[in-house]
Amino acid sequence: AQKVTQAQTEISVVEKEDVTLDCVYETRDTTYYLFWYKQPPSGELVFLIRRNSFDEQNEISGRYSWNFQKSTSSFNFTITASQVVDSAVYFCALNSGSVSGSRLTFGEGTQLTVNP
Amino acid sequence: EPEVTQTPSHQVTQMGQEVILRCVPISNHLYFYWYRQILGQKVEFLVSFYNNEISEKSEIFDDQFSVERPDGSNFTLKIRSTKLEDSAMYFCASSVDTHTGELFFGEGSRLTVL
Repeated sequence: AQKVTQAQTEISVVEKEDVTLDCVYETRDTTYYLFWYKQPPSGELVFLIRRNSFDEQNEISGRYSWNFQKSTSSFNFTITASQVVDSAVYFCALNSGSVSGSRLTFGEGTQLTVNP
Repeated sequence: EPEVTQTPSHQVTQMGQEVILRCVPISNHLYFYWYRQILGQKVEFLVSFYNNEISEKSEIFDDQFSVERPDGSNFTLKIRSTKLEDSAMYFCASSVDTHTGELFFGEGSRLTVL
């Protein structure tokens, strides 16, 4: 069975602080994909990144960076110099072993609040 | 940029009523999905659909739920007799394949059952 754990329910920071959102996953499959989605107060799900299990290179996109470590089954997400507009719920998700190939298992989400 | 569109954005209904949520997936996508998010909770898989049939469904997707692709563009989720606990945001998604796992989500339809 697949499982995604986001232990941080809520995080509150002050603007310009760096913040890391943790994600730990469980799967028996050797091929899988990991995702991060952002859900702003308006409610839609915004795709941020996809990573496959064979690519452990860390990735940076502007103020966002991701640290994928298979040894610890973690896929953490860091926002550098946070801004108020980063306030949202962030979901980590796993796609593996599904008959349909794209059944995402989501974590519980982390509510990030960035205060001015 | 192509996007998945959903209607209605918000629907309020009485318990026991039938509800149909509509989705227009991205035109060249072949795989379609419905996910559900009860307020304040995580997003949960309901069903996937390919080649005009259900390819996988979760334990949430019981006999009260059905999906259909009535024409070449729409993909619908029907709830036959709504319950209070069906109140949630329902997300439609589509993908071009199943190899990369990248789903494109719509903006969601909020269902409120009174």
